[in-house]
Formats: sequence, C-alpha cells, structure tokens
Amino acid sequence: VVMTQSPLSLPVTVGQPASISCRSSQSLVYSDGIVYLSWFQQRPGQSPRRLLYEVSKRDSGVPDRFSGTGSGTNFTLKINRVEAEDVGVYYCMQGTHWPPLTFGGGTTVEIK
Amino acid sequence: QVHLVESGGGVVHPGTSLRLSCAASGFTFTSYGMHWVRQAPGKGLEWVALTSDDGKFISYADSVKGRFTISRDNSKNTVDLEMTSLSPEDTAVYYCAKDRSSAWYPPSLDFWGQGALVTVSS
Repeated sequence: VVMTQSPLSLPVTVGQPASISCRSSQSLVYSDGIVYLSWFQQRPGQSPRRLLYEVSKRDSGVPDRFSGTGSGTNFTLKINRVEAEDVGVYYCMQGTHWPPLTFGGGTTVEIK
Repeated sequence: QVHLVESGGGVVHPGTSLRLSCAASGFTFTSYGMHWVRQAPGKGLEWVALTSDDGKFISYADSVKGRFTISRDNSKNTVDLEMTSLSPEDTAVYYCAKDRSSAWYPPSLDFWGQGALVTVSS
C-alpha cells in the first residue's frame, strides 16, 4: 500500500491552522471495520512520536489542537492553532495491510 | 513508563555485519510485538522488520529480506536485529518501536527508542 502525503512543506504562521493530507492506494478499512491509520510527529533531532491512531484517537499527552479525520483512502491531520513547538516532520502510517507497514513521505511544518 | 534503548550502532565496511539490540522496560514485554524502523540521513521512515509477542510471527521489508534477522529474548526483554551483507544503502538511524498489541493484529507503533546510527562506508 502506497501512502502519499501533501504538501511536502507547510509554512504556517503561529496561531494559524494547518492541514496535512494523506492518501492510501487502497482502502484502509480492516475486516473488523477499524481503520489502522496513525500519525507521527518527529521534531528536529528527536525520535518519532505517535500523535493519533485509528485515524482520530489522540495519544496520552497530545494537545487537543491536533485532530485526525478521514475514511477509506483519504485522511487529514489538522493542527487547530500552530505553536512554535509543532515544528517538525509529520508522517502518516498504515497498519491495515500488514506486513509491511508503510509510511507516507512526510510533511515538514515550519513557522513563517 | 515505557523505555526503549537501542545499542550496537557504529561505522562498518560494506559487506560486513552488525548486530543491534534494544532493551525494553516499563511494560509487559511478552505481550507485545516489536519492530525495527530505519531512517536514512535526511529521508523518511522505512519499516524494516517485526516480531510478534511470542516470536513466532516474523516479517521483513523486501529491502532487507535474506540479510537481516530479527529475534527477541523474552527472558531478557530484548529484541535484536542482526544485519549482514551491509551496503551503503543501509546507512540509517535504526529505531526500535513497540507495537500496540501482539503483532498478530494490525499494528501501530506507540513508543519508539532514541535510535542507533549505523554507517556503512568504505
């Protein structure tokens, strides 16, 4: 399954919203009806950190300005009001059609 | 809390071997699948291998199949990655990551280690 993210780079003003798209080459709905699509944040010089799983469930400690939506093959990560600490690269990943697990190419969020 | 610590990275010549290890703590290791994911310099994330909680379900990315071997020791809470026939294309930071479940079900990677850098160069 190929995961395609856009845009490649996203310059955002602090306090403004940001949106990242992730599309899969096949539907990510598993036989149990759940969509195994996760989002990860990788800040500069750090390991990846999972933000969301099963499209829209936030991990513990993740601010509620991060939200996920989507179904089938189209998914979106939204940051309600970008803060300086949100700078980094964001990846989507599918686990529905495993193995292998596949990641999107990444979207770099930077502050204008 | 969950803690994953990779070790064993370094600089090696093409064609040689290297073994990475990941020490896990803060969770019931025997109940979770474990993965290795790598990131080449300046590039994105690439899944490498997985082992199920019991070690009976193992899978590899096509790019490493036949060269890399993942194994786990549930008595020591460790998961290793044996890498052979290394090439410069294997140069990357290698992350150990915990599965949300046993790996017998659709996986998601909920915790990651800090990574180990492997450089393959002549």
